Amino acid sequence: SAVISQKPSRDICQRGTSLTIQCQVDSQVTMMFWYRQQPGQSLTLIATANQGSEATYESGFVIDKFPISRPNLTFSTLTVSNMSPEDSSIYLCSVEVRRNTEAFFGQGTRLTVV
Amino acid sequence: AQTVTQSQPEMSVQEAETVTLSCTYDTSESDYYLFWYKQPPSRQMILVIRQEAYKQQNATENRFSVNFQKAAKSFSLKISDSQLGDAAMYFCAYRDDKIIFGKGTRLHILP
Repeated sequence: SAVISQKPSRDICQRGTSLTIQCQVDSQVTMMFWYRQQPGQSLTLIATANQGSEATYESGFVIDKFPISRPNLTFSTLTVSNMSPEDSSIYLCSVEVRRNTEAFFGQGTRLTVV
Repeated sequence: AQTVTQSQPEMSVQEAETVTLSCTYDTSESDYYLFWYKQPPSRQMILVIRQEAYKQQNATENRFSVNFQKAAKSFSLKISDSQLGDAAMYFCAYRDDKIIFGKGTRLHILP
């Protein structure tokens, strides 16, 4: 397994601003993922964060809105840019310890945009 | 495209009783993984159990077991001796190159 620390745990932000969410893992992992969970909904994959290369985004998500960094094998950030109330969600970081198996999750960041 | 369907938005079970949560999925792949995750109010996603598609034997983790029917593409979760701490959202998930989650089933435990 892996211990994942995600910060901040929650934030309330003004529309038009940006928020960067950090994800720190206690061991080196190959794959890191960012998910969005809208209120009462399931998890939707935003992108896969690849170390040393650009993130791979899922349909409906773009780099300008959700830029991702992955500077090393234990850390990644997700920025939610130019926020609107529709971006109010829980954002979750997850990692894969063994390739193509289960993912482990951080505690999530509850974002409210006002 | 792969899909995961959980047809029970909510379920309730009496404490100490057994409950089964349903999940079906659609895929053309033969090699994949299936998971059940639990999300309590703390919102931490916790892996409950996993099943490799190539294994015929159903996975078991203490009070949690699955009924994996590969031909029927069915993957149900059975919770025995339900406890108050089992109250949570349960998500069924499928993985080949990425993990796809179902919509979830909210499980209530009645004391």
